[in-house]
Amino acid sequence: SQWGEENLQALSIQEGEDVTMNCSYKTYTTVVQWYRQKSGKGPALIILIRSNEREKRSGRLRATLDTSSQSSSLSITGTLATDTAVYFCATFSGSWQLIFGSGTQLTVMP
Amino acid sequence: GPKVLQIPSHQIIDMGQMVTLNCDPVSNHLYFYWYKQILGQQMEFLVNFYNGKVMEKSKLFKDQFSVERPDGSYFTLKIQPTALEDSAVYFCASSLGERLFFGHGTKLSVL
Repeated sequence: SQWGEENLQALSIQEGEDVTMNCSYKTYTTVVQWYRQKSGKGPALIILIRSNEREKRSGRLRATLDTSSQSSSLSITGTLATDTAVYFCATFSGSWQLIFGSGTQLTVMP
Repeated sequence: GPKVLQIPSHQIIDMGQMVTLNCDPVSNHLYFYWYKQILGQQMEFLVNFYNGKVMEKSKLFKDQFSVERPDGSYFTLKIQPTALEDSAVYFCASSLGERLFFGHGTKLSVL
């Protein structure tokens, strides 16, 4: 597997709190994608960060990428109950083979 | 945004039967994918497809699996014969590049 520490985790927080999810990868990559999967749906891309960017923001989302430690994080500020989902990091291996990490089940309680 | 449609949403079949999962990808997309997910766990890559050919496949893409997209119609995943361990949710995705667009999945139950 090209993924390291990102075993399927479960996080449960209260609405309004901030949360950070982490993943680490083993093989060289130039881009890390974060997908969100809501119950009964397919994953949807929420943010993409490249190796020449240390940080990327999109609304309440913030992604970081540290190529030296081969790790990426996704933070969500001011969480809402609608942020409840599984969050995956993913990166390409080979030509166009997108490989997903194990995911974090985030539950935001209203 | 662009939508990928998967038909049917749920399929129940007996072990040993053949099943075809259908995917209607985003119309101008060029790359097509199938993923397998068990019990809401990790998304596992099966295969990608471009220009009428399989580009890459994983160890999960057994000999009983095949994909095709005849004449720009549905992108299909066929399993023949099915086994109990094929029970899972299968997701189709399409893309023009880095960003994949996923369907809602077909839940396959093999009895």
